[in-house]
Amino acid sequence: DAGITQSPRHKVTETGTPVTLRCHQTENHRYMYWYRQDPGHGLRLIHYSYGVKDTDKGEVSDGYSVSRSKTEDFLLTLESATSSQTSVYFCATRAGTGGHEQYFGPGTRLTVT
Amino acid sequence: SQQGEEDPQALSIQEGENATMNCSYKTSINNLQWYRQNSGRGLVHLILIRSNEREKHSGRLRVTLDTSKKSSSLLITASRAADTASYFCATAAEDSNYQLIWGAGTKLIIKP
Repeated sequence: DAGITQSPRHKVTETGTPVTLRCHQTENHRYMYWYRQDPGHGLRLIHYSYGVKDTDKGEVSDGYSVSRSKTEDFLLTLESATSSQTSVYFCATRAGTGGHEQYFGPGTRLTVT
Repeated sequence: SQQGEEDPQALSIQEGENATMNCSYKTSINNLQWYRQNSGRGLVHLILIRSNEREKHSGRLRVTLDTSKKSSSLLITASRAADTASYFCATAAEDSNYQLIWGAGTKLIIKP
């Protein structure tokens, strides 16, 4: 398994506060992704990165920003958390050199009250 | 938008029986992948089938792909209690390998 960790694993925050979730990988994978998972939905892509400092928006990017200053770290920031951002957030990586499968972290459960 | 749609949404079978899940998608694809998610855990890649392949096997898993019908099926033979999980299909479009489009998943319960 790819070494992917996410922190924190659980967080409760109040509406209007900024929140940053961290994804850390030890596999030197080129691509990194942030998804959210909600009941009744599959995974929905928030943002992704195809290299250091190279990021792009996904399907549900409004209210989120990302940064990747090092290969191993991909940060997801909720600028001003809202209750609709209560979800489970997954980070994933992909090697990129012919490898198509994605490797997932354990997830972060975020509750916005 | 969701590309893959799994069917059924939920499936409950006896241990030892075979489980079949289906996935339909809308656009041309480069490949289709199946993932498993155990409760409260991250997703785990199971198998990938390319658009020019029709069938692929991995252990007790058999995946078929029909590009003319834009559909795929995942068969798990001789199911075990440990197969209880949600199963997701994800498609990679022909024009981009960066993104996977995910279905909502099939929840599989194996009764002992």
